[in-house]
Amino acid sequence: GEDVEQSLFLSVREGDSSVINCTYTDSSSTYLYWYKQEPGAGLQLLTYIFSNMDMKQDQRLTVLLNKKDKHLSLRIADTQTGDSAIYFCAESLSGYSTLTFGKGTMLLVSP
Amino acid sequence: EAQVTQNPRYLITVTGKKLTVTCSQNMNHEYMSWYRQDPGLGLRQIYYSMNVEVTDKGDVPEGYKVSRKEKRNFPLILESPSPNQTSLYFCASSTNRGSGNTQYFGPGTRLTVL
Repeated sequence: GEDVEQSLFLSVREGDSSVINCTYTDSSSTYLYWYKQEPGAGLQLLTYIFSNMDMKQDQRLTVLLNKKDKHLSLRIADTQTGDSAIYFCAESLSGYSTLTFGKGTMLLVSP
Repeated sequence: EAQVTQNPRYLITVTGKKLTVTCSQNMNHEYMSWYRQDPGLGLRQIYYSMNVEVTDKGDVPEGYKVSRKEKRNFPLILESPSPNQTSLYFCASSTNRGSGNTQYFGPGTRLTVL
């Protein structure tokens, strides 16, 4: 079955870049997502990438996909304290199928 | 405003007392889903629905029921709650059309079963 793995914790200083990594097992995954969960809140979609893309950039966010290694990363440039949250990687096999989530990476940004 | 709403946001109940958590979306989405979030386990899908009157089990359906009589509503029913169902529950919805499967999440319902 599908499996999505993430490191559980990342700590960075304000102004540094953060890189959150994710690996997945199902090579049929078509869409890969990054969600953000702030304390006490639901999940907010940050960005997603199709499996036929290598990279996607959206302001401070850069997503890199290595389909051969089934590795996905999220880079946050100029990390701010407001970026402190849990970040979830997720994948789905099609545009409307079930999402499989990783366990989440807690990002802590210190001043 | 496009949104997914859940009620109640917080609930403390006792073992065996039937409860329903409501979920409603105003985006005319076909797909709706329930997840539970537990420490160290991430989000696990309970049930999902591809459209009205179409529901399917997710990864952890035991102890839960759902119904999809209308497109906008997808209630989660716990017929006889047990302490291991203490969790944070999220409802989500998305369209079946187009690409990207952007799921919109509700704010969550924190359930404690004593």
